[in-house]
Amino acid sequence: EAGVTQSPTHLIKTRGQQVTLRCSPISGHTSVYWYQQALGLGLQFLLWYDEGEERNRGNFPPRFSGRQFPNYSSELNVNALELEDSALYLCASMGRGFLEAFFGQGTRLTVV
Amino acid sequence: AQSVSQHNHHVILSEAASLELGCNYSYGGTVNLFWYVQYPGQHLQLLLKYFSGDPLVKGIKGFEAEFIKSKFSFNLRKPSVQWSDTAEYFCAVQSSGYSSASKIIFGSGTRLSIRP
Repeated sequence: EAGVTQSPTHLIKTRGQQVTLRCSPISGHTSVYWYQQALGLGLQFLLWYDEGEERNRGNFPPRFSGRQFPNYSSELNVNALELEDSALYLCASMGRGFLEAFFGQGTRLTVV
Repeated sequence: AQSVSQHNHHVILSEAASLELGCNYSYGGTVNLFWYVQYPGQHLQLLLKYFSGDPLVKGIKGFEAEFIKSKFSFNLRKPSVQWSDTAEYFCAVQSSGYSSASKIIFGSGTRLSIRP
């Protein structure tokens, strides 16, 4: 069984640009969580999608947005990139039983 | 809103020493609690979880954690650490049951370094 997959693995963007990160959950999982892992700050909760709907979002500006598709895959969009957006972006999926979140390997975003 | 505090940012131990990593959470309702580990260059993976029942839970690789409801704590323990336990450890909390509050909130992590 394939795990959570994220693409791309690495990305370099310049300030002001826009970026889209992608996440494919484990087959059968309906929930997708997005986190930002910046150095020394742990995992900051960004967004939670379930059954195609945004269920909750963290304390991030509106330029962070996303969506979940009918096949439960998800995209995270970041507009007007800033230097401090440089971080590892992690996606996790969870099944309907909410027993365990499985993480992808992350997308390393560098903003220059 | 939920929050999680991990008080130790970096812990350095010698092999065979005992380990205890602190985790306190803030949330008014019933919770699910987790410890995740991130080995260098690897995905985050689940060490153990508490949903209900026996407050002492055992996980993989000899780790255990105790849920103390009165103290809002879920400390991670291991009686004898190995060099291979070098990793970053994250405590997490989730509101029990399904609601818009069922996001998973992580602490800032504790980096564990084991001296061989």
